[in-house]
Amino acid sequence: QKEVEQDPGPLSVPEGAIVSLNCTYSNSAFQYFMWYRQYSRKGPELLMYTYSSGNKEDGRFTAQVDKSSKYISLFIRDSQPSDSATYLCAMSPYNQGGKLIFGQGTELSVKP
Amino acid sequence: GAVVSQHPSRVICKSGTSVKIECRSLDFQATTMFWYRQFPKQSLMLMATSNEGSKATYEQGVEKDKFLINHASLTLSTLTVTSAHPEDSSFYICSAIRTGGADTEAFFGQGTRLTVV
Repeated sequence: QKEVEQDPGPLSVPEGAIVSLNCTYSNSAFQYFMWYRQYSRKGPELLMYTYSSGNKEDGRFTAQVDKSSKYISLFIRDSQPSDSATYLCAMSPYNQGGKLIFGQGTELSVKP
Repeated sequence: GAVVSQHPSRVICKSGTSVKIECRSLDFQATTMFWYRQFPKQSLMLMATSNEGSKATYEQGVEKDKFLINHASLTLSTLTVTSAHPEDSSFYICSAIRTGGADTEAFFGQGTRLTVV
């Protein structure tokens, strides 16, 4: 079993839709939870990070962590074609800048 | 955000040759950098931790003699793929760690696509 599981998609939605992306994990030591966006043939860029459980909102993006269920989510409201990318969840027991365990990534396509 | 530059972005080499990939933190000093490998439609897999002034720490299953890492300064780490074979073809990504106050954040390079023919 992988430490972090993420549905690779692809996920295709119309412009303006709410997108829900999810990851599950098995290591209860994970404390830091990150979401990265990766465009084709580029390095990942950090979207949001959350420490421990709870919600965090930044513009159209909301990150949720449920440690009791070992389940994290990223919601994108009013999705735009420019949101089309691969979204990777990443986790760490130590901090957001250390050794990260990544999910497989979900490929998202937002159609105009 | 901080800038991490990775060079080259794309390289094609012949089987048996060596290839060097550079990772530079342009506007901050990074004591620690990480090297990842990503196969198509797959996750980033950590290969090694690069620490300035000391030997790299390799993840289980990664051959240290094949993937040579040098972190000679606080702004530069290099990954050399020695005696490359077609199965080494992959997307290699580095991250540089910026620490400041209570925050630690990883900044990623743009990746290097290696094709071994």
